[in-house]
Amino acid sequence: GQQLNQSPQSMFIQEGEDVSMNCTSSSIFNTWLWYKQDPGEGPVLLIALYKAGELTSNGRLTAQFGITRKDSFLNISASIPSDVGIYFCAGQGTDKLIFGTGTRLQVFP
Amino acid sequence: ETGVTQTPRHLVMGMTNKKSLKCEQHLGHNAMYWYKQSAKKPLELMFVYNFKEQTENNSVPSRFSPECPNSSHLFLHLHTLQPEDSALYLCASSQVLLEPGETQYFGPGTRLLVL
Repeated sequence: GQQLNQSPQSMFIQEGEDVSMNCTSSSIFNTWLWYKQDPGEGPVLLIALYKAGELTSNGRLTAQFGITRKDSFLNISASIPSDVGIYFCAGQGTDKLIFGTGTRLQVFP
Repeated sequence: ETGVTQTPRHLVMGMTNKKSLKCEQHLGHNAMYWYKQSAKKPLELMFVYNFKEQTENNSVPSRFSPECPNSSHLFLHLHTLQPEDSALYLCASSQVLLEPGETQYFGPGTRLLVL
C-alpha cells in the first residue's frame, strides 16, 4: 500500500531557530496536509495544499507541495516553546488519506 | 476546539469488560471516521461512515464494533479487548466523504489502556 516517509523522526532545537521537516511518497498525491498534535490532544490542521508547486503560509509556518507531487515540506521560522508537539504530514491520492509517522519537535528556551 | 468532542478522554478496562467510546461533531459534517493511534506508527484508519452508513472497515477485529445513529454521533463499542489494543482512539469528521481537497477535523481522542 501507499506509504509516507516523514523525516526527521524527532528534532531538538533552541528557541528562535528555524525548523524544516519533509514527507516523501512513492505515489503521487493530489492533496498534502500538515497537522500538529499537542500532548493528549487530536491532530489539528495547520496547512492544506491542493496544487503541485503551491507554497502556502500560516503565520510562521510555510509549506510547499512538491512539483513531482510526491513530496511536501513544512518550515517553521523563529520557533517558540509552544511549537512543541508532533507534526504529521498526510497525503491523499484518489481516496484515502495516508498519514506519515510524525516528527516530534522539542524546543528549548 | 475543533468542533469534534470525544468521551471519555481516558479509559482503563480489563480484557473482559465492555465499554463504549463516544464521538460528537458540531460541524454539520456528513462523514465520520475512527482512527487508532499507537506509539511510533502512522494513524490507522479503522472505520468510515458516510450519511450514517458504514463505507469502510479496514480489517478491524470484531471486538471493535462501530455504531453511527446519526450524522453527528459515532460510537465505538469495545468488547474483550487485548492489551495490544491500548492506544489513542481518534474520531474525525469531514463535510463530505474524503475526496481531494476535503479535510478532516479531529477530536481530542480517548486514551485507552487495556489491562
